[in-house]
Amino acid sequence: DTAVSQTPKYLVTQMGNDKSIKCEQNLGHDTMYWYKQDSKKFLKIMFSYNNKELIINETVPNRFSPKSPDKAHLNLHINSLELGDSAVYFCASSQGRANSPLHFGNGTRLTVT
Amino acid sequence: GENVEQHPSTLSVQEGDSAVIKCTYSDSASNYFPWYKQELGKRPQLIIDIRSNVGEKKDQRIAVTLNKTAKHFSLHITETQPEDSAVYFCAACSQGGSEKLVFGKGTKLTVNP
Repeated sequence: DTAVSQTPKYLVTQMGNDKSIKCEQNLGHDTMYWYKQDSKKFLKIMFSYNNKELIINETVPNRFSPKSPDKAHLNLHINSLELGDSAVYFCASSQGRANSPLHFGNGTRLTVT
Repeated sequence: GENVEQHPSTLSVQEGDSAVIKCTYSDSASNYFPWYKQELGKRPQLIIDIRSNVGEKKDQRIAVTLNKTAKHFSLHITETQPEDSAVYFCAACSQGGSEKLVFGKGTKLTVNP
């Protein structure tokens, strides 16, 4: 069973479109995250939720809106997609806060054309 | 905020040799230092971590050392094997404001058979 699963695995879309990525974890963890990995492989945190409450919002454009309906799910909606949004987006979860091991999903490769 | 520098950005070794990757951090209050391995096209996975109350930790061929005074920590891989080839990320958990994990920019390790 996949501990952190995210869908879709690949997403190809045109500039200006709106898209969503879904994430679910079955580990019973309290905290979930979205990370962005750019073409240079740099991993940067975007958002963090603890028990459905937003605790980190890292200077991400307002076009990105996370939603956590419950502590096992964290979705990411992106409006008005831009070329620079092309990246791999990783969902992750951890039992505690940031000072505990992260379990990453398999990533969603977003390509904006 | 926390800033993590990682060196080298690429490292090539012969099978059986040792590999060392070094990271420095800026926030003296950081207290958790994990290392993640990311194979090509896959998700990052935790390989070892260390907390600030410990100076060294080993797990088979992998070891991590931490020097809190100098604010640097290192990953040591002994008897490298081709399957160790991957991108390795260090990270530090900053304490200021909201806790978050800040990643280094990664080291691409290639183990030549």
